Amino acid sequence: DQQVKQNSPSLSVQEGRISILNCDYTNSMFDYFLWYKKYPAEGPTFLISISSIKDKNEDGRFTVFLNKSAKHLSLHIVPSQPGDSAVYFCAASLTGNQFYFGTGTSLTVIP
Amino acid sequence: NAGVMQNPRHLVRRRGQEARLRCSPMKGHSHVYWYRQLPEEGLKFMVYLQKENIIDESGMPKERFSAEFPKEGPSILRIQQVVRGDSAAYFCASSPSTYNEQFFGPGTRLTVL
Repeated sequence: DQQVKQNSPSLSVQEGRISILNCDYTNSMFDYFLWYKKYPAEGPTFLISISSIKDKNEDGRFTVFLNKSAKHLSLHIVPSQPGDSAVYFCAASLTGNQFYFGTGTSLTVIP
Repeated sequence: NAGVMQNPRHLVRRRGQEARLRCSPMKGHSHVYWYRQLPEEGLKFMVYLQKENIIDESGMPKERFSAEFPKEGPSILRIQQVVRGDSAAYFCASSPSTYNEQFFGPGTRLTVL
């Protein structure tokens, strides 16, 4: 049972434009969310997180939005750069330790 | 401060053999997590350990799989009598506490022939 879903397996964006990656979850008890970026043959690297008490968190070019009523999470990257090309995973937790990961969205930023 | 270290990076086993995957967490991190990524799938949680204790193993198959995090030394994920379906990338992550980002190792790619 996939509790965290990323329905877009891939996304292509022009350099300099906004990339929006989406994530939906089913468990309303999730209270901590994270986004990770992964390059081939490497482990995921942490990007940004958000607690359920917030609806927005920003870090440089990366902003995460949380819509609890819709059980929806999104990551905005502005402006997109070719080095952002990677697979992006969202993850959710209700205990702060076990994390449920989505299946990933492969982002390609076209120069 | 070295990151999370995993070894070996690649492991080839024949069906029926044992696979041992090692993970050294970041210095100061007492929480260790193991995940499995099958081809074309996301990361699946397997087990969460603290020193000498298994906290949550709800994601780990009941048979053939075991994990430990001894007082001294790395965390070990052990797969006995491997089958072809065990072929996957196994990632270890560590964190200093709960509700904290997890730092991932580079993964061990297990291939079962």
